[in-house]
Amino acid sequence: DQQVKQNSPSLSVQEGRISILNCDYTNSMFDYFLWYKKYPAEGPTFLISISSIKDKNEDGRFTVFLNKSAKHLSLHIVPSQPGDSAVYFCAARKRGSGANSKLTFGKGITLSVRP
Amino acid sequence: GAGVSQSPRYKVAKRGQDVALRCDPISGHVSLFWYQQALGQGPEFLTYFQNEAQLDKSGLPSDRFFAERPEGSVSTLKIQRTQQEDSAVYLCASTTREGLGNTDTQYFGPGTRLTVL
Repeated sequence: DQQVKQNSPSLSVQEGRISILNCDYTNSMFDYFLWYKKYPAEGPTFLISISSIKDKNEDGRFTVFLNKSAKHLSLHIVPSQPGDSAVYFCAARKRGSGANSKLTFGKGITLSVRP
Repeated sequence: GAGVSQSPRYKVAKRGQDVALRCDPISGHVSLFWYQQALGQGPEFLTYFQNEAQLDKSGLPSDRFFAERPEGSVSTLKIQRTQQEDSAVYLCASTTREGLGNTDTQYFGPGTRLTVL
């Protein structure tokens, strides 16, 4: 039972254009969401996060939007650069004590940015 | 180094062999997590330590999997009598505090790719 879903396995965009990566979740206990970026043979690297009390968080070229009623979030990358080509994981966390800080990940989306 | 390190980076084991995977978290990090990432999947939680205490091992798939962190720093994930379905990348992550704050970020190591023949 996938509690975090990334239904599109891959996305290809032109350099300079916007990349939109989508993520859906089913567990209403999730209240904090993160995006991780992963290059081959490396571990996931934290990119950006958002709390459920917000609907938008921006950091440079990266913006995450949260639609809590739809249980949907998206990561926007503007403008996209070839170095952004990687696998992007959406992750969610339940609020609580330390033991509840484990992350639940989606399957990931492979982003390819064409020069 | 400044990041989370894991060793070995690659491990090939024959079915039935025991393996031990090591994680060196960022110095001073209290919380440590192990995740398993199968091919084409996202990481899945295995177990969690706060200092030397293993507070959550609900993700360990069977009693062949055992993890320890005896001195609250380095952790070892041991898999006994490995099976082909154990083939995956095993990721370790650490974070600064006990995970009580919503802004705590987990920093991941590069992982150990285990292949069971």
